[in-house]
Amino acid sequence: EPEVTQTPSHQVTQMGQEVILRCVPISNHLYFYWYRQILGQKVEFLVSFYNNEISEKSEIFDDQFSVERPDGSNFTLKIRSTKLEDSAMYFCASSDRGQAPLHFGNGTRLTVT
Amino acid sequence: GQNIDQPTEMTATEGAIVQINCTYQTSGFNGLFWYQQHAGEAPTFLSYNVLDGLEEKGRFSSFLSRSKGYSYLLLKELQMKDSASYLCAVRDENTDKLIFGTGTRLQVFP
Repeated sequence: EPEVTQTPSHQVTQMGQEVILRCVPISNHLYFYWYRQILGQKVEFLVSFYNNEISEKSEIFDDQFSVERPDGSNFTLKIRSTKLEDSAMYFCASSDRGQAPLHFGNGTRLTVT
Repeated sequence: GQNIDQPTEMTATEGAIVQINCTYQTSGFNGLFWYQQHAGEAPTFLSYNVLDGLEEKGRFSSFLSRSKGYSYLLLKELQMKDSASYLCAVRDENTDKLIFGTGTRLQVFP
């Protein structure tokens, strides 16, 4: 069964550093998402992306965050200057149409020290 | 505003049936989803309701009442591997984003 893949599985970085989290969505999917989950808390929406542009973003997704689909397969989330409170599990998800269930990747655990 | 409520924790016995409730108050509604999440892993899609009624999928069923802002997930013939968190999520009417509840942690005992 096709799946969403994310790399790396775990990223440790120092406060103020830039990180790029990578995702390869399911190949025929058109809608892409980033969510995050702080340890012990709920899954929170960050951003949705369709047709090569952001379709919606949350209050969390401030100027420090950006997304990109640099080619036909990758979907990246960049955090320019990480803060301690950015430590969380970041999940990429994709769907083949706007109303379809989301398929999540296994996540990248980001630890900011 | 957006508010999704589910019990924090539940316990059940192997072979039994358990019902996990979810109530929601959202500014719009375009479907309700249930996901399973094992600790440290990704949410896995279980079921989806957009119309009132029951959707059955093997050992799992999900029910929706839009007028009551209420859903439940029913798990039958519980197995030890069903120990996980169960996340209720509502799709916003005007966008395609999912709004998640805090999840219900289910522990299944032998």
